[in-house]
Amino acid sequence: DTEVTQTPKHLVMGMTNKKSLKCEQHMGHRAMYWYKQKAKKPPELMFVYSYEKLSINESVPSRFSPECPNSSLLNLHLHALQPEDSALYLCASSQVSGSSYEQYFGPGTRLTVT
Amino acid sequence: DAKTTQPNSMESNEEEPVHLPCNHSTISGTDYIHWYRQLPSQGPEYVIHGLTSNVNNRMASLAIAEDRKSSTLILHRATLRDAAVYYCILTPGGTSYGKLTFGQGTILTVHP
Repeated sequence: DTEVTQTPKHLVMGMTNKKSLKCEQHMGHRAMYWYKQKAKKPPELMFVYSYEKLSINESVPSRFSPECPNSSLLNLHLHALQPEDSALYLCASSQVSGSSYEQYFGPGTRLTVT
Repeated sequence: DAKTTQPNSMESNEEEPVHLPCNHSTISGTDYIHWYRQLPSQGPEYVIHGLTSNVNNRMASLAIAEDRKSSTLILHRATLRDAAVYYCILTPGGTSYGKLTFGQGTILTVHP
């Protein structure tokens, strides 16, 4: 199974709402990632988890709160978002060691903040 | 992170080979060259990677210049399904996971 699943596929939320995005993989990967992709732009790294610990935070605003409760699951908790946070949120996973770093991406959650 | 330069767009005809160039003149000795592609409405997909030698896999070939300042992704017979944005990315060796910094990429259009 080389699949990364993300739920929900689409999410519309108001600026005062709290919601969560979920990502799951069963490839035994111990590195997991969140990326943000605005329309017609390349993906931008937000967070990296390695062995369930936060390893990289690319200066992401605190209204985005990641969580890695176990080695298969990655969440992104959203609170008090702004309309400019509307984007495609992509999750990925990879092995931790080795030269490849081949990352497997999910299909993304398309978020609209109203 | 070392930067890559790719053409904004390229076009090809179906069943013809496609050569997608990437310049990375500031590459360091331990940087790996990765290629990913993103089909419309999908997440990025790994294509191939290499360090110094040319590489082949079922999807594509990667030709790396001797001085490593450029590389070329080769799709041997383009299909309509290969229409995507192709990203050339450098990743530093010696780290325990891959931090991908995507550039603007090359939009590949394949004509029937």
